[in-house]
Amino acid sequence: AQKITQTQPGMFVQEKEAVTLDCTYDTSDQSYGLFWYKQPSSGEMIFLIYQGSYDEQNATEGRYSLNFQKARKSANLVISASQLGDSAMYFCAMRGRSSNTGKLIFGQGTTLQVKP
Amino acid sequence: DAGITQSPRHKVTETGTPVTLRCHQTENHRYMYWYRQDPGHGLRLIHYSYGVKDTDKGEVSDGYSVSRSKTEDFLLTLESATSSQTSVYFCAISDPGGGARGQPQHFGDGTRLSIL
Repeated sequence: AQKITQTQPGMFVQEKEAVTLDCTYDTSDQSYGLFWYKQPSSGEMIFLIYQGSYDEQNATEGRYSLNFQKARKSANLVISASQLGDSAMYFCAMRGRSSNTGKLIFGQGTTLQVKP
Repeated sequence: DAGITQSPRHKVTETGTPVTLRCHQTENHRYMYWYRQDPGHGLRLIHYSYGVKDTDKGEVSDGYSVSRSKTEDFLLTLESATSSQTSVYFCAISDPGGGARGQPQHFGDGTRLSIL
C-alpha cells in the first residue's frame, strides 16, 4: 500500500527566511512521482512542483525546491525567501506507476504561517 | 489555469436528501477524479473516471456514485446524504503520461457541502 506522511501539522517561519516542510512516503513501486500542492485560505489547490523517482537532480521551480532523498523515502519541500503570501496549507502527494490511472495519495497537510 | 468548473460552490441540505455535484472541464482530459477534504485527512479519493462511462472506486466510495456520459462532465451523487458526508469536495483532471512535469492533476475550486 502507498502512504504519505506529513508530520508537521503547523509551522511558523519569519518573512524572508527559508523553511522546509517534511514529507515521507512508502511505496513498493520502483517508478513513482511526488507532487506538492499549496492550498491558500481561499481554498483552491495549486500545483507547485514535481519530482520523478528516476530524476537524478532535485526539482526546482522558482523559490520552491524539493529535497529528494530516495533511500530515506523523503521528499521535503524547501521554500526560500518566504513571503507573506506563502501562508497556506501544503500537501505532499504521490502517484505510483502501478496506478496507471494517475490517482494521487495525499498526506495530511502542513499549515505554514509566515510572520512579518 | 485549467478549465475546471465545479457547481454548486456551496450547498446546504438535509440528511436523507439526494445531492449531485457537477464537474465540467474544457481541457478534454481523459481522467477525472472526485476527492473529499476533511481536517486531519488531507484529500481522499472517492471515485475516478478513465473515460466516458468508465469509472472506478477510490478509497472512500461508500455512499457515493458517479457518472460520466461525456468527456467534459463528471457527476458525483450522494443518493441519501448523511452528516458524515459534510465536507469540501474537489474535482480534478489529468492526462497521465509522465513528462518532465509529471502531468499533475489540476483541481477545481471545490464545493463546500453541509448536511444538517
